[in-house]
Amino acid sequence: AQKITQTQPGMFVQEKEAVTLDCTYDTSDPSYGLFWYKQPSSGEMIFLIYQGSYDQQNATEGRYSLNFQKARKSANLVISASQLGDSAMYFCAMREKTSNTGKLIFGQGTTLQVKP
Amino acid sequence: DSGVTQTPKHLITATGQRVTLRCSPRSGDLSVYWYQQSLDQGLQFLIQYYNGEERAKGNILERFSAQQFPDLHSELNLSSLELGDSALYFCASSVEPSGNEQFFGPGTRLTVL
Repeated sequence: AQKITQTQPGMFVQEKEAVTLDCTYDTSDPSYGLFWYKQPSSGEMIFLIYQGSYDQQNATEGRYSLNFQKARKSANLVISASQLGDSAMYFCAMREKTSNTGKLIFGQGTTLQVKP
Repeated sequence: DSGVTQTPKHLITATGQRVTLRCSPRSGDLSVYWYQQSLDQGLQFLIQYYNGEERAKGNILERFSAQQFPDLHSELNLSSLELGDSALYFCASSVEPSGNEQFFGPGTRLTVL
């Protein structure tokens, strides 16, 4: 069964430093997509970055990059040059493409606090 | 602003009652998803509609039902409410049924007393 695991309930990082949020996944589907979402204290879910299982290169979006290691089934989010506004909950999610639906399976989330 | 709207923003009701949550997808998006976020269960997929038809079903209780109307807005109906139904309910939308980019609404926070 498909599963997303985020083992870090909470993380601290100093402002302007880089931080890595861990995500491992389990699926038997050879075709899948991996997502990261940010949820600030206000509650909305903000899409950050997407990685397809067949993508040759790691995805990047501004200060966000996804360290995709397919053999290890990991999809860690790297945030460079952390800002105070990065303090939020971060969710890793997966979609199995052969289902031909948009159903997302989410991990439990990691709370990131950026210290000034 | 994702372009997905949800009403109401907050809802407080009593056990046993029935409520309706409403979602309007982004302009041009044909697919609508409902997710529930609770402290116990985390973020869970409930159901997906695409162009008016049910596309996928997740862990949605029988007391819950949803539909997508011809104008593509969607409603999630929750009945015989229990304390455990208190949660943040998100609607998301995407252009295609496969939803590689799902845009989430601000959510409806439901409190059952």
